[in-house]
Amino acid sequence: GAVVSQHPSRVICKSGTSVKIECRSLDFQATTMFWYRQFPKQSLMLMATSNEGSKATYEQGVEKDKFLINHASLTLSTLTVTSAHPEDSSFYICSARGLAGRFLYSTDTQYFGPGTRLTVL
Amino acid sequence: AQSVAQPEDQVNVAEGNPLTVKCTYSVSGNPYLFWYVQYPNRGLQFLLKYITGDNLVKGSYGFEAEFNKSQTSFHLKKPSALVSDSALYFCAVRPNQAGTALIFGKGTTLSVSS
Repeated sequence: GAVVSQHPSRVICKSGTSVKIECRSLDFQATTMFWYRQFPKQSLMLMATSNEGSKATYEQGVEKDKFLINHASLTLSTLTVTSAHPEDSSFYICSARGLAGRFLYSTDTQYFGPGTRLTVL
Repeated sequence: AQSVAQPEDQVNVAEGNPLTVKCTYSVSGNPYLFWYVQYPNRGLQFLLKYITGDNLVKGSYGFEAEFNKSQTSFHLKKPSALVSDSALYFCAVRPNQAGTALIFGKGTTLSVSS
């Protein structure tokens, strides 16, 4: 199936620093990427929807100035957690939905990255 | 409000027995329905989806799901469980509108004992 990568897989940072997480669709073009946050043993909470070339749409309660999203190309979206605090520690997962590619149903299905474990000390 | 319900936090089955993980939804129109599986500290892996057509959908690793429109359900099934099927399973729904994100259930932990 379609492959989505995330980098880094794990990051530990000090409080007050910024962390950038990359999400890449490796074998298809993703017009739309989604960023989720997952707390232990809980479901995924959608943070924002990112469309290539336009501003991200944030879910209610998600601070857009704290969680900066950039979707500069059809294969890359980045999430930057600015001035991170311990309460931002979480598992961040991106997903991508395709425009076109090798997979017939890539326009219907979201493919998920492996996730990034952020720990803020 | 649109929602997805997975009524069981955990499902326990013995290896070789059939398994069912339940999912019901409350979404207007004709949504797209998905099942994903998550292993510890990993992202979600796509298992199967229903968009239209036959109500019984076959997916990866021997899993299948049955769409029931009247009951607004999309239960995940497998005829013979494996220990390696033990994981967290998410049902998700995408309202049939362009650009809309998935709505996830809270997840069901499947535990298969040997």
